[in-house]
Amino acid sequence: DIQMTQFPSSLSGSVGDRVTITCRASQSISTYLNWFQQKTGKAPKLLIYSASNLQSGVPSRFSGNGSDTDFTLTISGLQPEDFATYYCHQTYNIPPTFGGGTKVDFK
Amino acid sequence: QVQLQESGPGLVQPSETLSLTCSVSGVSIHIYYWNWIRQAPGKGLEWIGYISSSGITSYNPSLKSRVTISEDMSKNQFSLELSSVTAADTAIYYCARHWSVAAPPDLWGPGTLVTVSS
Repeated sequence: DIQMTQFPSSLSGSVGDRVTITCRASQSISTYLNWFQQKTGKAPKLLIYSASNLQSGVPSRFSGNGSDTDFTLTISGLQPEDFATYYCHQTYNIPPTFGGGTKVDFK
Repeated sequence: QVQLQESGPGLVQPSETLSLTCSVSGVSIHIYYWNWIRQAPGKGLEWIGYISSSGITSYNPSLKSRVTISEDMSKNQFSLELSSVTAADTAIYYCARHWSVAAPPDLWGPGTLVTVSS
């Protein structure tokens, strides 16, 4: 299985901050990398697919970048509704695997 | 509006079979791919498997010997069976849709908590 490693595992931010979450794959996955947001008690929500494509309805302050093994999710201007846990996810091969998550909370 | 809803017992005895159903409304399960994904309490996400619109299944190798995913076209539902469960199978189980083999799930049900305990 491809291992997905996210860092940091948690970060604290304030409204308006620019934050970046990193995800590293244990082997090359081209751009088969997706990002999800999960709020407490809710199902994950797709934010970014294929490394850099914004899912319909997702605010443009979210952006994704990267290829091969290294990827980032950036939130440009943190909003109160963005405090959540974020997961990266590869669909390069079976089984699809998720990173361990990055929890973004209030500073 | 497309919606997914999981249903099934919230408590399963150890060594028995966990059975869940996902009811899909707003779109036929004749298209897209339909997944089961789980999340142990306070833990990360684990893909269990999917069934395609043509009935082809794919399972996580770590669970393959215990998993069956099937469909009921007449009810527009698909189901999960996980046999020989242990406490390690306690999790929130989500059903989800994706649009192609390598695409991510773009639509999820709210999830249902299944506890394995005697």
